[in-house]
Amino acid sequence: NAGVTQTPKFQVLKTGQSMTLQCAQDMNHNSMYWYRQDPGMGLRLIYYSASEGTTDKGEVPNGYNVSRLNKREFSLRLESAAPSQTSVYFCASSEGRGRQYFGPGTRLTVT
Amino acid sequence: KQEVTQIPAALSVPEGENLVLNCSFTDSAIYNLQWFRQDPGKGLTSLLLIQSSQREQTSGRLNASLDKSSGRSTLYIAASQPGDSATYLCAVLGGGGSEKLVFGKGTKLTVNP
Repeated sequence: NAGVTQTPKFQVLKTGQSMTLQCAQDMNHNSMYWYRQDPGMGLRLIYYSASEGTTDKGEVPNGYNVSRLNKREFSLRLESAAPSQTSVYFCASSEGRGRQYFGPGTRLTVT
Repeated sequence: KQEVTQIPAALSVPEGENLVLNCSFTDSAIYNLQWFRQDPGKGLTSLLLIQSSQREQTSGRLNASLDKSSGRSTLYIAASQPGDSATYLCAVLGGGGSEKLVFGKGTKLTVNP
């Protein structure tokens, strides 16, 4: 069972570079989420998508954009990376407001 | 704004001990509460989900309780094993149609052989 997959697993960027984090789920879930996890801050919601074609801001959306490409895929884009975006990024999915299933994470370093 | 607190931040116990992890939240108008486990360098694994109308949920050696009126949940782990060593996170989903899960910072559990 693949569940929630994320690519890449690791990435190093220079300040100002752009990149897209990819997420896909095979559980036919309607809802998908992007979180970041930082030491001392816990997990914080960046953006979420309650259904295909809709996206909404979470707690920390500045500096990020998202695309819900189809029901399976939800991508997170950093247009101009900053050192403050160094973090571990997790994608998750759920059926409505039920249990959330997480991917393995992407470890991003911005120098 | 909902805030979730987990105390203690770290806990070390000998193998075989029964233990309780605590979670408190400031706004009692929640839809559900979830407990997750996170191993170092890994993603989160959902352990238990308690709906706001429920008092407890059980899965194997794990039992989670919810007292919505007092803003508290506990995760009880029976007969702890070294394989239970991980960080345990509590998260609440607010009422009113919210899809925003609010996390505590976790309790890092070490079970010593």
